[in-house]
Amino acid sequence: DIQMTQSPSSLSASVGDRVTITCRASQSVITYLSWHQQKPGKAPQLLIYAASTLYSGVPSRFSGSGSGTDFTLTISSLQPEDFATYYCQQTYRAPDTFGQGTRLEIK
Amino acid sequence: EVQLVESGGGLVQPGGSLRLSCATSGFTFSSYWMSWVRQAPGKGLEWVANIKQGGSEKNYVDSVKGRFTISRDDAKNSLYLQMNSLRADDTAVYYCVRSRGAWGQGTLVTVSS
Repeated sequence: DIQMTQSPSSLSASVGDRVTITCRASQSVITYLSWHQQKPGKAPQLLIYAASTLYSGVPSRFSGSGSGTDFTLTISSLQPEDFATYYCQQTYRAPDTFGQGTRLEIK
Repeated sequence: EVQLVESGGGLVQPGGSLRLSCATSGFTFSSYWMSWVRQAPGKGLEWVANIKQGGSEKNYVDSVKGRFTISRDDAKNSLYLQMNSLRADDTAVYYCVRSRGAWGQGTLVTVSS
């Protein structure tokens, strides 16, 4: 199975900050990489797929980059509604594994 | 609007069975891979299974192989998960997920005596 490792596991930041979360795959997943956001008590929502394609309706302050084994999710200017947990997921080879999550908290 | 609505969760005893359903609308269901993802209480996301368009390919996480069966009915725009020989560690919220797209709101499965 392909292992996905996110860093950091948790992060404190302020409104307006630029934030970057990284995701590393144990082997190449090319660009079969998605990012999901989950708020407490809610279902996850897709933010980005194919490593860098913004899903419909997602604000442009979110962006993704990377290929192969190393990927990043960047939020250019944090808004209050962005404080949540973020997961990366590879869909290159089954099982489609998730990272352990990055909890983004208000400083 | 893309919608996915799960149903069929509930409380079941260890060794029992449940069948989850996911009714979809707002997109061409037959054109997409579909998945089930679960989340145990207080834990992260775990991919469970997926199924290709037309149902010709199915994949499962090792922990459910031989116990769970994913299926789809393209005429009804619906996805299913038949869960047999349920164990306490199957307790989770189960989400229906469209590839490159939306998540359902989830249905809670609790396995306990």
